[in-house]
Amino acid sequence: DSGVTQTPKHLITATGQRVTLRCSPRSGDLSVYWYQQSLDQGLQFLIQYYNGEERAKGNILERFSAQQFPDLHSELNLSSLELGDSALYFCASSVGVGEETQYFGPGTRLLVL
Amino acid sequence: GQNIDQPTEMTATEGAIVQINCTYQTSGFNGLFWYQQHAGEAPTFLSYNVLDGLEEKGRFSSFLSRSKGYSYLLLKELQMKDSASYLCAVSPNTGGFKTIFGAGTRLFVKA
Repeated sequence: DSGVTQTPKHLITATGQRVTLRCSPRSGDLSVYWYQQSLDQGLQFLIQYYNGEERAKGNILERFSAQQFPDLHSELNLSSLELGDSALYFCASSVGVGEETQYFGPGTRLLVL
Repeated sequence: GQNIDQPTEMTATEGAIVQINCTYQTSGFNGLFWYQQHAGEAPTFLSYNVLDGLEEKGRFSSFLSRSKGYSYLLLKELQMKDSASYLCAVSPNTGGFKTIFGAGTRLFVKA
């Protein structure tokens, strides 16, 4: 158990819908990262927040957005969902903003029908 | 640009030793991570190399050569439970921190 929690574990929805994925980092960690992993694909970095502020951005679609709240939990919002958005979405956290080890949550498996 | 290459799949026998290679090209470099990921599960941290050389941690060792842009993960005394994907990830020295992950090497350990 990494100490990072994600909800929900599974999500099934339809094309065009909007969903929100939630992540709580390890106690004491200030950075939260979001990744997308499609079937048999590598981890694609989406976005990083550090202490409430956006720190780095990867290949995140405009239909996707995220935020980190004062209590440091984070939410990833996915809208106008397409079939291709079906994937595992991982959240990870680390202590600071540098090259520390990232601890991954169990992931949310999203299926868009 | 930034690029990470590692073999797609490898097969080894229980009790043997296997070496998983990773080459990278990044604009600036801080360090290199290795993560293990079982199918459908979260990646878990194995090692982090900043300096050249070999770091040993039990059955797993990781090597880095910064000048060659090369790393390897060495797994000894393979066990069936070591069947997993092994992800090489680079921490580039660019504005804004974003770890770049390779596609991973799927290791199959057979009896």
